[in-house]
Amino acid sequence: DSGVTQTPKHLITATGQRVTLRCSPRSGDLSVYWYQQSLDQGLQFLIQYYNGEERAKGNILERFSAQQFPDLHSELNLSSLELGDSALYFCASSVGVPGQGSNEKLFFGSGTQLSVL
Amino acid sequence: AQTVTQSQPEMSVQEAETVTLSCTYDTSENNYYLFWYKQPPSRQMILVIRQEAYKQQNATENRFSVNFQKAAKSFSLKISDSQLGDTAMYFCALMGMTGGGADGLTFGKGTHLIIQP
Repeated sequence: DSGVTQTPKHLITATGQRVTLRCSPRSGDLSVYWYQQSLDQGLQFLIQYYNGEERAKGNILERFSAQQFPDLHSELNLSSLELGDSALYFCASSVGVPGQGSNEKLFFGSGTQLSVL
Repeated sequence: AQTVTQSQPEMSVQEAETVTLSCTYDTSENNYYLFWYKQPPSRQMILVIRQEAYKQQNATENRFSVNFQKAAKSFSLKISDSQLGDTAMYFCALMGMTGGGADGLTFGKGTHLIIQP
C-alpha cells in the first residue's frame, strides 16, 4: 500500500458528462501529480500541485482542470467527456519541497479507471 | 523536451533466468533521476529502482540492478533469478530536476515481461 488513496476505483459514464476524481496524498506529502494512462498515449503527465498551488502543466486538455485543497487532497475534473478520455488516471504524491530535489520519489495510488460510453 | 524509449514491447523468459530490459533516454538537463516502475496486472505502479544521474555507481535492489551509461544515455534493468511474480509491465522513467522535479516523470511506452514457469 503506497499510502495514496484514489476514489472511485472505477467510473462509467457517458459522453458529454462531467466527472470528478479524488486523490488523498500520503501523510506529509505536499505535492500531487496527475497522470493519464491510455493504450495509445501511454503514461502522460497532466498536472502538478504543490501545497495548493499549481506548479506545472503537462498534456492536460482544456476540458480538464484540477485543484488541491487546504487539506492537501486533490481533485481532477473532467468535463465534456469523449470516448477518447477513457483511461486509467493515476495520482501520485511526493514530499515535494521545491529546490531540494525531494520530488524524485513519487508514490502512486491505485488509479481510477474511467470508461466513457 | 525529454524522451524515454523502450525498444522491446514484450519479452518472455523462463523462471530463474536473468533478463535485461533496455531503455534509452534524451534530456538536456545535467541533474536528473532515472527510474524503473513495475505495473503488474493489478495496475498498481510500483517503484523498482532509481538512479541519480550524478552517481556513477549502478543502483541495486536485491535481484534488480541497473546498468547506467550516462554518456550513451542508456539505463537498462537486469532482473536476476526471475520469478513468476515479476510478470508485469515495466516502465522506464526520467525526472529532470530543473525546477525541483515539478514536471514529474516522463515515461517510456513500457516492456511487457512474461516469466514462464
